[in-house]
Amino acid sequence: KAGVTQTPRYLIKTRGQQVTLSCSPISGHRSVSWYQQTPGQGLQFLFEYFSETQRNKGNFPGRFSGRQFSNSRSEMNVSTLELGDSALYLCASSLGHRDHRVGVQFFGPGTRLTVL
Amino acid sequence: GNSVTQMEGPVTLSEEAFLTINCTYTATGYPSLFWYVQYPGEGLQLLLKATKADDKGSNKGFEATYRKETTSFHLEKGSVQVSDSAVYFCALISGGSYIPTFGRGTSLIVHP
Repeated sequence: KAGVTQTPRYLIKTRGQQVTLSCSPISGHRSVSWYQQTPGQGLQFLFEYFSETQRNKGNFPGRFSGRQFSNSRSEMNVSTLELGDSALYLCASSLGHRDHRVGVQFFGPGTRLTVL
Repeated sequence: GNSVTQMEGPVTLSEEAFLTINCTYTATGYPSLFWYVQYPGEGLQLLLKATKADDKGSNKGFEATYRKETTSFHLEKGSVQVSDSAVYFCALISGGSYIPTFGRGTSLIVHP
């Protein structure tokens, strides 16, 4: 079974630009979550999509948005980039059931975003 | 709300040393507990889990026991290898939530 894939793996942008990151979950997984990882803040939850609907949202400004397609692939978008948005963005997929199995998340390798 | 507290890193050990990484939690209800590992340049991957009190999760020589009385889930390994160098995350899920709560991660560096 193929793992979670994320594209691109590396991205360099300048302040004010916008960026779109893509995530393809494991086949059969309907839940996709996005996380931002930085040395200072650790792993922070952005949002989760299940069956094309945003089911959970973290504490990030509206510049961060996402969507999920009917094939469960997901994209996240960051508009008006700031220097502080430089981070590793991780996508994770899971079955999405409301039990302990939802804690079993399968992570992609991440997209390293650098904002100059 | 839910929270996970891990010991500060980095933890630096020599090969074949005994490893303990402490993890304590605060949660509503009866959480399930997890340890994830992140190797350099990769995403997180599940290392082990325990879903009820006194359960022991184990994998690749690592173990952790769900201690409800001390709200802890400490990770242990009897003899670490250089290849165990990574960042370890403790996590929990509870209360019908769909999203795990992660600790800040503990970096482990193992020297030959």
